[in-house]
Amino acid sequence: GEDVEQSLFLSVREGDSSVINCTYTDSSSTYLYWYKQEPGAGLQLLTYIFSNMDMKQDQRLTVLLNKKDKHLSLRIADTQTGDSAIYFCAETFSGGYNKLIFGAGTRLAVHP
Amino acid sequence: EADIYQTPRYLVIGTGKKITLECSQTMGHDKMYWYQQDPGMELHLIHYSYGVNSTEKGDLSSESTVSRIRTEHFPLTLESARPSHTSQYLCASQQGGVSGGSGTQYFGPGTRLLVL
Repeated sequence: GEDVEQSLFLSVREGDSSVINCTYTDSSSTYLYWYKQEPGAGLQLLTYIFSNMDMKQDQRLTVLLNKKDKHLSLRIADTQTGDSAIYFCAETFSGGYNKLIFGAGTRLAVHP
Repeated sequence: EADIYQTPRYLVIGTGKKITLECSQTMGHDKMYWYQQDPGMELHLIHYSYGVNSTEKGDLSSESTVSRIRTEHFPLTLESARPSHTSQYLCASQQGGVSGGSGTQYFGPGTRLLVL
């Protein structure tokens, strides 16, 4: 069945790089997404990557995809306190109505 | 920038009351979704719609119901609220299928529901 797994917590020092990891199971996923959720808010799309790509960079964000291992990562360069949030990885499920399968979220804490 | 709205943002209500959570989007998206999320936890899909007059139940069983009479509007109703319904409810919309990033779901700010 479909499943997305993430580590639950990450703590980094301000200015360092953060790497949030995700594994997924549906090898036929077409797109993989990273969403950010700040306290009390909805999910904000950060970036997405098409499954035939290995890497995508967007300003401070770098997404790496290892399709063989079904491993996705999000690297945030020069992490700031405003990056503190929960980050959700999601994959598209190829069956049915193209729903998204979300991981449980990684809580990123940035400390001075 | 996505234009998807949810009201109310916060709701405290007594057991047994009927409530409707509103969700509207101005992007003309065909697909809309309702998720339930407990604090700090993962999202669970409870309802979705492909378009007008289309509604389906999601992965997590829910006592709520939805309707889709207009493209832009996807309200969720609880006929008789219970404390077990206390949660955050997130609405999302999506344009068409998965191509060129159009499979992206855009989320509203959520409604935090507390049933006493």
